[in-house]
Amino acid sequence: GNSVTQMEGPVTLSEEAFLTINCTYTATGYPSLFWYVQYPGEGLQLLLKATKADDKGSNKGFEATYRKETTSFHLEKGSVQVSDSAVYFCALRSNDYKLSFGAGTTVTVRA
Amino acid sequence: DAGVTQSPTHLIKTRGQQVTLRCSPKSGHDTVSWYQQALGQGPQFIFQYYEEEERQRGNFPDRFSGHQFPNYSSELNVNALLLGDSALYLCASSPLGESTEAFFGQGTRLTVV
Repeated sequence: GNSVTQMEGPVTLSEEAFLTINCTYTATGYPSLFWYVQYPGEGLQLLLKATKADDKGSNKGFEATYRKETTSFHLEKGSVQVSDSAVYFCALRSNDYKLSFGAGTTVTVRA
Repeated sequence: DAGVTQSPTHLIKTRGQQVTLRCSPKSGHDTVSWYQQALGQGPQFIFQYYEEEERQRGNFPDRFSGHQFPNYSSELNVNALLLGDSALYLCASSPLGESTEAFFGQGTRLTVV
């Protein structure tokens, strides 16, 4: 079956630091890959996506590249802000209709 | 354009009771999925509705049931509530298509006491 493994948190960073959250997956077929973000007390918001190998998704300074050879989709941001404090979820959709999520990584950015 | 809206936002129920949660999809979306997010965990897929039919179901017991109406809105019903059903229930909508992203609502926080 499909599964997503995320780097365990929590992660605490200083403002302007570099952020990486590792994500690897197991899937049948050719999945689409997503990063969602959840701010405190809110639902999920799509941060970025990639639908085929070597695609790079980007949004709000965040980037992730779909690496089929390593089955990975690591999230990166070069300079984080306090407002980036949230829970980040890696997810995939493969040969069915559902999204399969990782357990989430809590990121706290300190001023 | 209103996004995905869910009601109520919070709910407290007693063990053994039944609950109905509601979801209105984003305009132009005809597919609704429901997810359960326990505290500190990622969302787990419950089921998806399309054309008023359950199209796919996750590993949830029959106590969890749903419905989709002709206007694409949806309900999630949970019978015989257990303490372990306490979670954030998320509704997501999408237009039909395999690689399109799902848009999530704010969720309904259900507490079973």
